[in-house]
Amino acid sequence: GQQLNQSPQSMFIQEGEDVSMNCTSSSIFNTWLWYKQDPGEGPVLLIALYKAGELTSNGRLTAQFGITRKDSFLNISASIPSDVGIYFCAGQLVGGGSNYKLTFGKGTLLTVNP
Amino acid sequence: SQTIHQWPATLVQPVGSPLSLECTVEGTSNPNLYWYRQAAGRGLQLLFYSIGIDQISSEVPQNLSASRPQDRQFILSSKKLLLSDSGFYLCAGTGTGGNEQFFGPGTRLTVL
Repeated sequence: GQQLNQSPQSMFIQEGEDVSMNCTSSSIFNTWLWYKQDPGEGPVLLIALYKAGELTSNGRLTAQFGITRKDSFLNISASIPSDVGIYFCAGQLVGGGSNYKLTFGKGTLLTVNP
Repeated sequence: SQTIHQWPATLVQPVGSPLSLECTVEGTSNPNLYWYRQAAGRGLQLLFYSIGIDQISSEVPQNLSASRPQDRQFILSSKKLLLSDSGFYLCAGTGTGGNEQFFGPGTRLTVL
C-alpha cells in the first residue's frame, strides 16, 4: 500500500526548544492531518490542512501542506513537558478508491526534558 | 462535537476465547467508522472500515471480524483469539462532511 515517510522517528529535546517533523510521499494527497497521541490514549487531531501551500497554526503548533501536495511539516515552538507524546501525520490520497481511508505515518516520538 | 466511546478500556483474555469490542459514536450521524490496531512500537494498522449500516470493508486478512448493526455502533469480534491479536485497538469516526477522523480512547487487549 501507499506509505508516508515520517521523520524523525524520535526526538529528545530540552524544554523551550523548537521542534520540526515532516512527512513525505511519492503520491499526491488532498488532505494532511496531524495527530498527537499521549501514552495509553487515542490520537487527538491537532491540525487539518486541505489546500496546497496552506499554512495553519494552533497555538504553538504550525503545520503546512506542501506545494507539491506530497509533503507536510509540523513545527512546535517553545516546547513544554506536556508536548511529550507520539505525533502522527496522516493523509488522504487522491483517487484510487481511497476516499474513505487515511494513510498514516509511523509516528515521531517526542521526549522533552524539563 | 463528535465523541467516540469504546469499551472495555482493558481486557485480558485466554487464547481461544471469543472477543467483542464495542464502539459507539455521539454527536454526528452517518459517520464512516474505522477499527485500527496499534502494536507496541506505534504504527496504526487499519483493520476494517464502514461507510454505513452492514457495510464493512476488510483491509487485512485476519482472525477478526467487524459488524455495524446500527448507524453509530461498530463492533469488533473474534470467535477464537490468538496470541498475535494482542494490541491496542482504536475506533475512529468521521464527522459531517470531512476527512478528519476522530479517535476513541482505545481498548488494550492482552491475549495470554
